[in-house]
Amino acid sequence: NAGVTQTPKFQVLKTGQSMTLQCAQDMNHEYMSWYRQDPGMGLRLIHYSVGAGITDQGEVPNGYNVSRSTTEDFPLRLLSAAPSQTSVYFCASRGGRTLLRSGYEQYFGPGTRLTVT
Amino acid sequence: AQSVTQPDIHITVSEGASLELRCNYSYGATPYLFWYVQSPGQGLQLLLKYFSGDTLVQGIKGFEAEFKRSQSSFNLRKPSVHWSDAAEYFCAVGDNNAGNMLTFGGGTRLMVKP
Repeated sequence: NAGVTQTPKFQVLKTGQSMTLQCAQDMNHEYMSWYRQDPGMGLRLIHYSVGAGITDQGEVPNGYNVSRSTTEDFPLRLLSAAPSQTSVYFCASRGGRTLLRSGYEQYFGPGTRLTVT
Repeated sequence: AQSVTQPDIHITVSEGASLELRCNYSYGATPYLFWYVQSPGQGLQLLLKYFSGDTLVQGIKGFEAEFKRSQSSFNLRKPSVHWSDAAEYFCAVGDNNAGNMLTFGGGTRLMVKP
């Protein structure tokens, strides 16, 4: 199993450009999420999904869109990039609906470092 | 809304010394608590987790953490630090109402002196 994969690893955008950060998992996990990491602020939840076709907002959703058409993929879209979106983005997944099945452990991807100029 | 506070932004310890990283949380129900470690340029690795039961939990790499409900704390400890433990450590609480998505503290960067 590859686990959680993210592409690209690095990206530089100009203000106003759009792009999609890709995330895929091969563990058949129901739950997937996107976090952004900024110095001194830990990781903050952007959007999450509890299954294909179901998404919800996290703590910092503005400027980002998501959709979940398959169990495996959970792309994050930046519609019009802003310098405030310069960050490291992590995708995570976890399986199961019960404590016994999943242990609530989230598996994180390696991250995408995004710079918006 | 839940929150997590890690009061120490940076900690420096000598190799072989003991370590305690502090974590305080705010959550209305029984918390699910986690400690993650992040090496430079890497993703996050789970060190240990607490759901219920024994309040002292053991993790990987010789780490342990103790849940104290009365103090709303979940401090991470290691009796003897190795140079390879230098990294950033994050405490997190899971939100049962949001698919156990995590709320993280700001992190503590650990430096180890030889």
